[in-house]
Amino acid sequence: NAGVMQNPRHLVRRRGQEARLRCSPVKGHSHVYWYRQLPEEGLKFMVYLQKENIIDESGMPKERFSAEFPKEGPSILRIQQVVRGDSAAYFCASSPRITGDEHSPLHFGNGTRLTVT
Amino acid sequence: ELKVEQNPLFLSMQEGKNYTIYCNYSTTSDRLYWYRQDPGKSLESLFVLLSNGAVKQEGRLMASLDTKARLSTLHITAAVHDLSATYFCAAGTSGTYKYIFGTGTRLKVLA
Repeated sequence: NAGVMQNPRHLVRRRGQEARLRCSPVKGHSHVYWYRQLPEEGLKFMVYLQKENIIDESGMPKERFSAEFPKEGPSILRIQQVVRGDSAAYFCASSPRITGDEHSPLHFGNGTRLTVT
Repeated sequence: ELKVEQNPLFLSMQEGKNYTIYCNYSTTSDRLYWYRQDPGKSLESLFVLLSNGAVKQEGRLMASLDTKARLSTLHITAAVHDLSATYFCAAGTSGTYKYIFGTGTRLKVLA
């Protein structure tokens, strides 16, 4: 059973370009989280999604950032008009959130390391 | 709003020594997690603690939870080099789906 798959592993963008980060959760998991990790720092919550629904996006900047988790296909974190400050590692995690398993730990992907030049 | 703090941020210790990492959280939480992250890698789940007084052990690592003090500890016994990594605690609250992470403790075990 494959774990959380993120791609690309590394992404280089020039200022002003768009970055699209993809995340396929563990098979059977219907809940996805995105976290951002700056160098030497902890993980900051960005957004929590269910299939076709954004449940909590309180950690996501209001401009330039958007996330989706369509009925079919991976979750996408999209950053428009990237700036140098967007350079970070972006981790996706998934959870089953099924009844009786509400406290299961998150399963993390290997992250996408975004560099904005 | 739930906040999670860890200390120390950096820890350098000799092989064979014992040490404890502390994780404090600011409001009521019904679940506490410990993760390990190796440089450039993803996070690996170590422990899930769900009730006051819970204690879990795996090898040289032991985690405990005191919900009244809003404190979890990760104790390292007789450290070995392979334990060198960054350790994160994370807390969550019933009724919300957010997991809030601490800043991490970067552990370096010296041979």
